[in-house]
Amino acid sequence: GQSLEQPSEVTAVEGAIVQINCTYQTSGFYGLSWYQQHDGGAPTFLSYNALDGLEETGRFSSFLSRSDSYGYLLLQELQMKDSASYFCAVKSGEPRAGKSTFGDGTTLTVKP
Amino acid sequence: DADVTQTPRNRITKTGKRIMLECSQTKGHDRMYWYRQDPGLGLRLIYYSFDVKDINKGEISDGYSVSRQAQAKFSLSLESAIPNQTALYFCATSPKPGWGANVLTFGAGSRLTVL
Repeated sequence: GQSLEQPSEVTAVEGAIVQINCTYQTSGFYGLSWYQQHDGGAPTFLSYNALDGLEETGRFSSFLSRSDSYGYLLLQELQMKDSASYFCAVKSGEPRAGKSTFGDGTTLTVKP
Repeated sequence: DADVTQTPRNRITKTGKRIMLECSQTKGHDRMYWYRQDPGLGLRLIYYSFDVKDINKGEISDGYSVSRQAQAKFSLSLESAIPNQTALYFCATSPKPGWGANVLTFGAGSRLTVL
């Protein structure tokens, strides 16, 4: 099966940089995604990494190391609106390609 | 209108009742999913469908059934609801392999309370 670990809570101040780590165990790895969720609202897609390295999208970047089964989401120039839960999700090919398994999420609190 | 619409948004029911949660989408995606979220936890996959005739169990399918009535519609049923099925339920869609296939688009959620 698949399992993912990420910290349950992270706190940072406005304007700072924060990194949310995710380690995973899976078979048939395809890629690692990140989603943001505000207070029980719909999760929204942030990024996807299939290959090793850093992907940058505005203030958010995501990194993947397949050899270490590890990834992280980097949020720069934090804003109050970034306070939310962040989920990593592994897309695997077992038993059917295209199925995503989510971690339990990291609650980010941004303080003034 | 939302790309992925879930109804009802909130439902309170009693133990033993049959409940159906409905999901419709206008994105033209082939793949549809039902996830469950409990407080403080991630999303767990209940069922997924890659097209109208391809339905698969997820990690927590016991006590649930689904129906893919059309490409755009995917409903989740609880035949006899029990209190530990109280949760927030999300429908999601994605296109088949190709550009954008790695992005799940979620509905706003259906909050179900079983008394």
